[in-house]
Amino acid sequence: QSALTQPASVSGSPGQSITISCGVTGSDFDPDTFVSWYQQHPGKAPKLIIYDVNIRPSGVSDRFSGSKSASTASLTISGLQAVDEALYFCSSYTNKIVLFGGGTRLTVL
Amino acid sequence: QVQLQESGPGLLKPSETLSLTCTVSGGSITNYYWAWIRQSAGKGLEWMGRVYSSGSTTYNPSLQSRVSMSAETSKNRVSLRLESVTAEDTAVYYCARGPRREFLPRWYDTWGQGILVTVSS
Repeated sequence: QSALTQPASVSGSPGQSITISCGVTGSDFDPDTFVSWYQQHPGKAPKLIIYDVNIRPSGVSDRFSGSKSASTASLTISGLQAVDEALYFCSSYTNKIVLFGGGTRLTVL
Repeated sequence: QVQLQESGPGLLKPSETLSLTCTVSGGSITNYYWAWIRQSAGKGLEWMGRVYSSGSTTYNPSLQSRVSMSAETSKNRVSLRLESVTAEDTAVYYCARGPRREFLPRWYDTWGQGILVTVSS
């Protein structure tokens, strides 16, 4: 079974932009794959911040944006703020099955 | 505003069956997809499967032989059963709401607070 890979950690300074990548082990994304992203603060449940590659749910800051190429999905956070420090998970939906990446810990320096 | 609340035993012995319930308030479970997702300490998320309000299910292939889910519209809740648990099943278990039926169940926009289930002898 495929797995989603993410860097274990990324960091950035306030005001900067960072990008978190998400790939599929051993292959490219199926063209019919839907990608979403979740943010999780310590002790809290995950929160949906991006779905269908680049759509933000109501109430999610426009500092969050997503993209996808054949091999990689990406989450970009611009204008980094202290409140963005959290764990970020990518997720894919392909052939009725949902996968989650291992998570990337974002540290705001 | 829809709220989800997981409930069930927090401590199990190996080989027992895990049974959790997710009670939904502030909205109906009808016409929505509902998933169970777990998270082991310090680890990532694992999608266990989903149930539609009609009762149709799709499970993670890695858990297929041990997991079952159900939906009770009369009680506005969904349930999870996981048989033959081991220490590897120790995790925080979340229920989460997917989209309405006209969409593929590809995102989860509302989550419960989660319930810690520990498997230990």
